[in-house]
Amino acid sequence: DAGITQSPRHKVTETGTPVTLRCHQTENHRYMYWYRQDPGHGLRLIHYSYGVKDTDKGEVSDGYSVSRSKTEDFLLTLESATSSQTSVYFCATGTGGDYGYTFGSGTRLTVV
Amino acid sequence: EDQVTQSPEALRLQEGESSSLNCSYTVSGLRGLFWYRQDPGKGPEFLFTLYSAGEEKEKERLKATLTKKESFLHITAPKPEDSATYLCAVGSGGSNYKLTFGKGTLLTVNP
Repeated sequence: DAGITQSPRHKVTETGTPVTLRCHQTENHRYMYWYRQDPGHGLRLIHYSYGVKDTDKGEVSDGYSVSRSKTEDFLLTLESATSSQTSVYFCATGTGGDYGYTFGSGTRLTVV
Repeated sequence: EDQVTQSPEALRLQEGESSSLNCSYTVSGLRGLFWYRQDPGKGPEFLFTLYSAGEEKEKERLKATLTKKESFLHITAPKPEDSATYLCAVGSGGSNYKLTFGKGTLLTVNP
């Protein structure tokens, strides 16, 4: 996962609290993505960014917001965490070209 | 809407027992079909990109092929270290900036 760092790697939080996950890249890729991965559902796109301050929703965006103030950083915020948001979250980056995405190592989030 | 279906969901093989994984897709204008490998606790890792029907790519014991409706990932004489989840994804329209993923096939190779 050289070039993409997700933090934290693990987090346990209580229902109703805000949570921010961070993705940092050194790839200088234009596109950045947040996915969640759950058994039986595979990878589902939450939000993505196509440039600084340019973001759009994915298929499961409710309850999540994102921000990208610099090319290298993409933040995912759960405004008020719920148990249904317990999941593994992956950040990915890409150029829109031949190699698809490069993924981070993931953040395992547990909401109790 | 692009759709990707992978089968089987899980496959258990003996070491040396060759087999294939399937990825069926429906897209409006295929831009690229991608195969990834995902080990437990890690993010997916890029394997191949295929662009047009008839194309094939190989890497060690893996060979990916593409038709107009599906792709196969052939595994020849697998080893236990090939055990992983294999994901298929498609890009469509003008570029590969937004991929649609299948749910994956969990491959287990027993020694």
